[in-house]
Amino acid sequence: EDQVTQSPEALRLQEGESSSLNCSYTVSGLRGLFWYRQDPGKGPEFLFTLYSAGEEKEKERLKATLTKKESFLHITAPKPEDSATYLCAVQADGFYGGSQGNLIFGKGTKLSVKP
Amino acid sequence: ETGVTQTPRHLVMGMTNKKSLKCEQHLGHNAMYWYKQSAKKPLELMFVYNFKEQTENNSVPSRFSPECPNSSHLFLHLHTLQPEDSALYLCASNPEGLTDTQYFGPGTRLTVL
Repeated sequence: EDQVTQSPEALRLQEGESSSLNCSYTVSGLRGLFWYRQDPGKGPEFLFTLYSAGEEKEKERLKATLTKKESFLHITAPKPEDSATYLCAVQADGFYGGSQGNLIFGKGTKLSVKP
Repeated sequence: ETGVTQTPRHLVMGMTNKKSLKCEQHLGHNAMYWYKQSAKKPLELMFVYNFKEQTENNSVPSRFSPECPNSSHLFLHLHTLQPEDSALYLCASNPEGLTDTQYFGPGTRLTVL
């Protein structure tokens, strides 16, 4: 069964204290791995898509990496405005059954950055 | 207005009411989705429409009824809901093809009394 596990469930950082969020996945055939940011009471905001092991993408203080079993979202020198829940989702390629295109989400990591 | 919009943003309804959620996307996309987000649970896919045709019904109870009159609009009709249906309902869309990045609306916070 395809599934996504995110850890930790919650993370509290001081401003400027770098850290990483983990997304472990099992999927029969990976087409893509997605990172979203979700603020309270709002919909998820797209951050990155990663397609193959070894791929990395950056945006401001965020850097996402991908291996064959997991992805990391590295946060460098975070600021209070980075506080949000970060969601990871995988998309199967459909070659081994299942619905191509459907996203399978993890429960998210709630990040709090204190000034 | 651009992006994906949802109305209403908040809805409180009794178990015997009938209401509808509306989603509109201004991105020219051809696929639209309904998700349910409950506390402490991952987002759950409910329905998928591609070029106005329903391609996925993820074992959703019949008290939820989707409608997609065109590629820009998606509705979720609600009737005889249960308190456990209280959640954030999210609409998403993506361009032609189901494998593109999905873009989400702000959601409708539904409370069933």
